[in-house]
Amino acid sequence: KAGVTQTPRYLIKTRGQQVTLSCSPISGHRSVSWYQQTPGQGLQFLFEYFSETQRNKGNFPGRFSGRQFSNSRSEMNVSTLELGDSALYLCASSPGQINEKLFFGSGTQLSVL
Amino acid sequence: QQPVQSPQAVILREGEDAVINCSSSKALYSVHWYRQKHGEAPVFLMILLKGGEQKGHEKISASFNEKKQQSSLYLTASQLSYSGTYFCGTGAGGTSYGKLTFGQGTILTVHP
Repeated sequence: KAGVTQTPRYLIKTRGQQVTLSCSPISGHRSVSWYQQTPGQGLQFLFEYFSETQRNKGNFPGRFSGRQFSNSRSEMNVSTLELGDSALYLCASSPGQINEKLFFGSGTQLSVL
Repeated sequence: QQPVQSPQAVILREGEDAVINCSSSKALYSVHWYRQKHGEAPVFLMILLKGGEQKGHEKISASFNEKKQQSSLYLTASQLSYSGTYFCGTGAGGTSYGKLTFGQGTILTVHP
């Protein structure tokens, strides 16, 4: 079974631009969660989608948004990029029931200049 | 609120044991443990649930003290492959599903 795939692997943007990151979950998984990882704040939950609906949301500003498609693939969008948005963005998939292990992708490393 | 992990870092020789702790100020419903190697994705190790159920890796053990709101991960007879950053993630129960609140991580280095 193929793992969780995130594209692109690296991204460089400038302040004020917007960016879209993509995540393809493991086949059959219906839940996709997004996390931001930085050296200072660690792993922080952004949001979770299940069957095309946002089921949970973290404490990030509205500039961070996401969506999920009918094939469970998910995208995350960050608008009006700030320097502080530089981070590794990880997505994780699971079948979607409670108390299940998460399968993480290798992440997209975003650098904002 | 973020759970607190201790120690922040630990250095071992192969074959030695280590314990990593995770404490929360909130009631715990579940504790997940993951290991991340540099430049790689976090990998699942174990889930501990309120009530005592555990799901996870055969060679790794952990405990979950609901009363103290703590979990500990026990790494015995460490191998070089155990090196990495260990994260605990706490679930709030209810509808938290894929939403975990992670600790700041414990860096484990195993030397030959």
